[in-house]
Amino acid sequence: EPEVTQTPSHQVTQMGQEVILRCVPISNHLYFYWYRQILGQKVEFLVSFYNNEISEKSEIFDDQFSVERPDGSNFTLKIRSTKLEDSAMYFCASRSRDRNNEQFFGPGTRLTVL
Amino acid sequence: QKEVEQDPGPLSVPEGAIVSLNCTYSNSAFQYFMWYRQYSRKGPELLMYTYSSGNKEDGRFTAQVDKSSKYISLFIRDSQPSDSATYLCAMTLNSGNTPLVFGKGTRLSVIA
Repeated sequence: EPEVTQTPSHQVTQMGQEVILRCVPISNHLYFYWYRQILGQKVEFLVSFYNNEISEKSEIFDDQFSVERPDGSNFTLKIRSTKLEDSAMYFCASRSRDRNNEQFFGPGTRLTVL
Repeated sequence: QKEVEQDPGPLSVPEGAIVSLNCTYSNSAFQYFMWYRQYSRKGPELLMYTYSSGNKEDGRFTAQVDKSSKYISLFIRDSQPSDSATYLCAMTLNSGNTPLVFGKGTRLSVIA
């Protein structure tokens, strides 16, 4: 069964460093999302992406964050200058055009900022 | 984002029990409702997806939506130890490209 994949599974970085989290959505999906989950807290929406542009973003998704679909398969989240509070699980999700709101999640990348 | 309330538990039941998990929400504009299962340090896995008020059944799982009360439920029949996980409710405003709003999740343990 097709699934969303994410790399790396765990990323450790120093505060102030840039990180890029990578996702490969399900191949026929057109809508892409990033969510994050701080330990012990709710899964929170960051950004949605369709047709090579951002559809919607939350207030969490400030100028330090950016997303890109550099090729036909990858979808990336970049954090330019990481802060301690960026430590969280980051989940990528995707959905197809005809399955409204049925978002399928990847296994997540655990980001630890030291 | 609009608030979704979910009792975090933990909830511990014996194997074979019927489990009831619930969420309430405040925004009547929510139209689509989902239940996700999340194992420890894994991504949420979509279990059920409903739109209208009423019940939807899939195997041992039944999702129930009561829009008038702004209340959704997930029932698990004949619970198994493999059902032990955190169950997240999620909802969204409409059928467009709108984000999911999650509850905090209820941690369930099914004891053999």
